[in-house]
Amino acid sequence: GENVEQHPSTLSVQEGDSAVIKCTYSDSASNYFPWYKQELGKRPQLIIDIRSNVGEKKDQRIAVTLNKTAKHFSLHITETQPEDSAVYFCAASMRGNKLVFGAGTILRVKS
Amino acid sequence: NAGVTQTPKFQVLKTGQSMTLQCAQDMNHEYMSWYRQDPGMGLRLIHYSVGAGITDQGEVPNGYNVSRSTTEDFPLRLLSAAPSQTSVYFCASSPGTANNSPLHFGNGTRLTVT
Repeated sequence: GENVEQHPSTLSVQEGDSAVIKCTYSDSASNYFPWYKQELGKRPQLIIDIRSNVGEKKDQRIAVTLNKTAKHFSLHITETQPEDSAVYFCAASMRGNKLVFGAGTILRVKS
Repeated sequence: NAGVTQTPKFQVLKTGQSMTLQCAQDMNHEYMSWYRQDPGMGLRLIHYSVGAGITDQGEVPNGYNVSRSTTEDFPLRLLSAAPSQTSVYFCASSPGTANNSPLHFGNGTRLTVT
């Protein structure tokens, strides 16, 4: 089936530490992998995305890595700050023009 | 640009009632989609459309209908509401396709079915 597994479901880190969220996908045809951040009561917003012809992408404190052979991709946040606290969703494109999301990770950054 | 606009923001229905959730975008995006968000289950795709006159089913289409008569609008219809449809509903649009472009989300509609 078409699914995206995301781990962990919750993650607590100390301010300044790094956070890593991992996702695996099932469809070998998947070629687009965005990450979204959702603050409490707000809409999901794109923070970074990666396409299948790229292995890694970085944007300031955020980076995403992709391993197409193993069908997994990860989000790395360095030097975490309290404002990074939110729910993070990974997603993968599937056959038929669909974007399927993981179940989400609640990130808490403790100051 | 207003982006993606969803109405209403909140709605309470009784079991068996019908209603339409409205979604409009002013960015001339061809791709539009509806997701529902439930605790611990992420965002699940209900229906999507790659352009006016074209719709297709997502992961959880049962109990919902959609139509796409214009590029701007993509309403979601609940024909006979059930408590299992209590959720937060997000409409999203994209300038390209789900395979290459990010989604722009609306602010959501919180629906309660009693």
